[in-house]
Amino acid sequence: AQKITQTQPGMFVQEKEAVTLDCTYDTSDPSYGLFWYKQPSSGEMIFLIYQGSYDQQNATEGRYSLNFQKARKSANLVISASQLGDSAMYFCAMRLFSGGSYIPTFGRGTSLIVHP
Amino acid sequence: EAQVTQNPRYLITVTGKKLTVTCSQNMNHEYMSWYRQDPGLGLRQIYYSMNVEVTDKGDVPEGYKVSRKEKRNFPLILESPSPNQTSLYFCASSGSLLMNSPLHFGNGTRLTVT
Repeated sequence: AQKITQTQPGMFVQEKEAVTLDCTYDTSDPSYGLFWYKQPSSGEMIFLIYQGSYDQQNATEGRYSLNFQKARKSANLVISASQLGDSAMYFCAMRLFSGGSYIPTFGRGTSLIVHP
Repeated sequence: EAQVTQNPRYLITVTGKKLTVTCSQNMNHEYMSWYRQDPGLGLRQIYYSMNVEVTDKGDVPEGYKVSRKEKRNFPLILESPSPNQTSLYFCASSGSLLMNSPLHFGNGTRLTVT
């Protein structure tokens, strides 16, 4: 069963507008870490933001913020003031404890296109 | 510069011809892993390693081998590649085994098996 679900295969947004990329996860463990990564068309994977399961406040990194709703098991990425360079694939990931380490699992990704 | 280096970037081979994709990190990271990325399927973990001489299967290990004889290196071996192993492969490492440690990725290896 998929632990990380990204329900939006593709999203479109107008430049300078905000956009929310959805991510839900499935675990009954109390300890886990949630991550978002960006993959531009050039192919590299770039770490954007982290949220811990015990964190009380939503994580923010510049124009990126993570809307963490623990009861709903969601960790949506919010990009404010979209730029053309934000066009990319975005992956949600979770690190869950298994066999001595926190093992990362990824969602299937959301393709974001920013229109001028 | 802190980085994960994987080679080659592109590889075209034929069915059954053994190949190795190398991965090296210069950050003294404990955790290393291999992923394959296929359209619509996201990143799926092939193998991971928590330390030297410690490796474990991920979600899609069939047809692959790995070794971790040194902390910095984690090669991926395809003993007898098949066309269904055509994919984009990523090596990644993280500084710790903890839940808050992000992955650092190599630039990817695009493999085509004909």
